[in-house]
Amino acid sequence: DARVTQTPRHKVTEMGQEVTMRCQPILGHNTVFWYRQTMMQGLELLAYFRNRAPLDDSGMPKDRFSAEMPDATLATLKIQPSEPRDSAVYFCASGLYTSGANVLTFGAGSRLTVL
Amino acid sequence: QKEVEQDPGPLSVPEGAIVSLNCTYSNSAFQYFMWYRQYSRKGPELLMYTYSSGNKEDGRFTAQVDKSSKYISLFIRDSQPSDSATYLCAMNGVSGNTGKLIFGQGTTLQVKP
Repeated sequence: DARVTQTPRHKVTEMGQEVTMRCQPILGHNTVFWYRQTMMQGLELLAYFRNRAPLDDSGMPKDRFSAEMPDATLATLKIQPSEPRDSAVYFCASGLYTSGANVLTFGAGSRLTVL
Repeated sequence: QKEVEQDPGPLSVPEGAIVSLNCTYSNSAFQYFMWYRQYSRKGPELLMYTYSSGNKEDGRFTAQVDKSSKYISLFIRDSQPSDSATYLCAMNGVSGNTGKLIFGQGTTLQVKP
């Protein structure tokens, strides 16, 4: 089965450090999403790419977060500087979107703890 | 107010019960409605999706959409302990910011043997 690969699976860092999370979407998929999941807020959309172009990053704190797709096989989410409130599970998901349901396949997530 | 509202539960039922999970939404542009299931420490996985209003059945699962009320439901018949998970509704439109998929908070379900 094709899968979305996320690294790292777990990351513990100290406040102020830079954190980079990586995602390899499924080959042939044209959309990539980054979500953050916490108990309080659930799944929050951070960024959305289609054909590598950013379509929506309104849910992302712009002062410290950035998302890019340098090529079709790699999406990155960077936090600089990290803060304790960024502690969450970050999911990458990819899908093949034309004009109907945006059916996504999720990665296993990157669990981030900022001390 | 969030675009998609979902009661986080938790919901606890005995094995064999019929489970009803629900979401409400505010954006009338949503046309595709999905249900994802998420097991502990895993990523969400798609259960089923429907287009516009109506019902869709897949085995023990039935999804219903009432666009006039902006209300969607997932029914699980003959619930099993293996159904214990968090169920997330999700939806997207086809105009404007095309394909942006918005999730509800998720409802945690426990099915007791």
